[in-house]
Amino acid sequence: AQSVSQHNHHVILSEAASLELGCNYSYGGTVNLFWYVQYPGQHLQLLLKYFSGDPLVKGIKGFEAEFIKSKFSFNLRKPSVQWSDTAEYFCAVTPNTGGFKTIFGAGTRLFVKA
Amino acid sequence: DTGVSQDPRHKITKRGQNVTFRCDPISEHNRLYWYRQTLGQGPEFLTYFQNEAQLEKSRLLSDRFSAERPKGSFSTLEIQRTEQGDSAMYLCASSLGSLGGPGTEAFFGQGTRLTVV
Repeated sequence: AQSVSQHNHHVILSEAASLELGCNYSYGGTVNLFWYVQYPGQHLQLLLKYFSGDPLVKGIKGFEAEFIKSKFSFNLRKPSVQWSDTAEYFCAVTPNTGGFKTIFGAGTRLFVKA
Repeated sequence: DTGVSQDPRHKITKRGQNVTFRCDPISEHNRLYWYRQTLGQGPEFLTYFQNEAQLEKSRLLSDRFSAERPKGSFSTLEIQRTEQGDSAMYLCASSLGSLGGPGTEAFFGQGTRLTVV
C-alpha cells in the first residue's frame, strides 16, 4: 500500500536555527509531492509542491524542498526559522497515474523558541 | 471568502445519533474530497468526487457513512448511528482536474470537529 513517512513527530528549534524535515514515500510510479502547513487554529495550507522539472522547489516563507527520486524522498528545508514558523507540517503524495487521493504523512510538530 | 467552507465548525452529538456536514468547495473546482483527521495523525482519505460522481471510497468509509454531491457543487457527509470512534476532525478539500488526470493541489476547509459523547 502507498504510504508517506515523516521522520520526526516533534521538533524544537531556536530562532535562526536551520530546519530539515524528512519525508519518504512508498510508490513506484510518478508522483506529485506536497508540503502542507497547519498553523495553530488554522486550516491546512499549501507550502510548496513538486509536479515535474527542477527537483529543488521553492515555496512560501523561505521554505524549499528537494525531490530525490532514487531515495523516494522530499525533504523540507529552511535555512533560518522564525517563531512564526511554529506549526504542524505535513508531507503528502498523489500518484500521478490517474489516482485521485492524496496520501498524507502523520505530520511533524515544529516549535520554534523565541 | 472564496476558499473552501465547511459547516458546522463544531458538532457534539450523542452516540447513536445521525449527523450531517456540509462542504462548499471553491466554485470553479470540479474535484471534492473528504478526509478525516484524528489527533496526532495526518488526514486520512475518505472519499472523492469528480463533479457529481463519487469515484473512490476508502475502506475507512463504513456503511454508516454516506457522501453526496448532487449537483457537482456542494457536498454533504452523513454519519448514521454515530459511535465514539467517529470523533475526529472531518476535512473537505477541493481541486481542479480532468478525469484520470493528476489535478492541481487540494485546497482545504477549516474542518468540522465532531465529538461523540
